[in-house]
Amino acid sequence: GAGVSQTPSNKVTEKGKYVELRCDPISGHTALYWYRQSLGQGPEFLIYFQGTGAADDSGLPNDRFFAVRPEGSVSTLKIQRTERGDSAVYLCASSYIAGGAGELFFGEGSRLTVL
Amino acid sequence: DAKTTQPPSMDCAEGRAANLPCNHSTISGNEYVYWYRQIHSQGPQYIIHGLKNNETNEMASLIITEDRKSSTLILPHATLRDTAVYYCIVSDRANTGNQFYFGTGTSLTVIP
Repeated sequence: GAGVSQTPSNKVTEKGKYVELRCDPISGHTALYWYRQSLGQGPEFLIYFQGTGAADDSGLPNDRFFAVRPEGSVSTLKIQRTERGDSAVYLCASSYIAGGAGELFFGEGSRLTVL
Repeated sequence: DAKTTQPPSMDCAEGRAANLPCNHSTISGNEYVYWYRQIHSQGPQYIIHGLKNNETNEMASLIITEDRKSSTLILPHATLRDTAVYYCIVSDRANTGNQFYFGTGTSLTVIP
């Protein structure tokens, strides 16, 4: 079956604009994770969902960042009033359940560039 | 906070075994050791995980010391496609949702 799909693969925007990044997890996976990766760094946890609810959003850097997963499948990461420091690759991952066997399946990421 | 320490980079000759070390001296009894790798411009890929015993799968072997304070990921016959950043992660999967802390990993270069 298909893996984790993320769109867009690349997004260039101007400072102050609003951005949405979409993640389609593997079918049947109940847990969904968002990470952010800056150049030369490892992925940094942002938020994860178990079903429709955000189980842990402690990694979101500030209130400009928000994520939803209304039907327990597709998730959208929303960034308001983008800043140049938001430029990074945003990675989505899914797993069958949270805290289970531990294998997260990652998408290829959405590269966000804020000019 | 980093729970693991890895060398920033390593080289390995093609066809030889690549041994990637990881120190996790503060690991607790409930925490598993996970290894992921990230090939350039791709998302991280799961390799293997373990708790106490050594583990082997089709990709690699994981050797965990008896005191569990360190481990080694072994790629038995490295190929050029194994060039990647390798992340060692410890996580208490029973009490968390596996929100992994990746750190900066080890950049492995396989040399022809």
